[in-house]
Amino acid sequence: SQQGEEDPQALSIQEGENATMNCSYKTSINNLQWYRQNSGRGLVHLILIRSNEREKHSGRLRVTLDTSKKSSSLLITASRAADTASYFCATDLENYGNNRLAFGKGNQVVVIP
Amino acid sequence: KAGVTQTPRYLIKTRGQQVTLSCSPISGHRSVSWYQQTPGQGLQFLFEYFSETQRNKGNFPGRFSGRQFSNSRSEMNVSTLELGDSALYLCASSNLGGKNTEAFFGQGTRLTVV
Repeated sequence: SQQGEEDPQALSIQEGENATMNCSYKTSINNLQWYRQNSGRGLVHLILIRSNEREKHSGRLRVTLDTSKKSSSLLITASRAADTASYFCATDLENYGNNRLAFGKGNQVVVIP
Repeated sequence: KAGVTQTPRYLIKTRGQQVTLSCSPISGHRSVSWYQQTPGQGLQFLFEYFSETQRNKGNFPGRFSGRQFSNSRSEMNVSTLELGDSALYLCASSNLGGKNTEAFFGQGTRLTVV
């Protein structure tokens, strides 16, 4: 069964705006990772946040994790046309480690130039 | 450092045939996992190999199998192909495969079964 589940969103924003997407999961995790996928190609790793971390930044990305609510959010600031992609969160089941990721359905983000 | 390499990138097979996909992990990575991505089911875990041993297995029929070689390269095989096996197959490699290590994905192999 899927653990990570994004809110089923299709975001369409103007270049320069911020994009926020959410992810919820069901059981205890070691960490949560966010990935980007362009047009059905491979997944690009964006950021990993550990279960004992609450917030993490990487460039224009900001990820939060709330283990009490079993949810995470990904914020992309000052979006660019190149950010147009599908974004997935993935959780590893606590007993399996990082070798068995459970993915959400993905959020499709379109950034309009 | 080269990334995860999957071959072939595209494949068309007929129902009933079998297929073998290959994945070369990042140099030094010992864990390789395989995932199937379809529009209906999304990304689903197939299995994971570490040091030539299968450590984890997802809920797929026995037609799906895999192996890992001593150089950490991995192959997955699907026998008696069905139309529903049409999907993007992704492999991911990670260093030790332990907790809190990032998993890096290849570009995938797009399999079409006709």
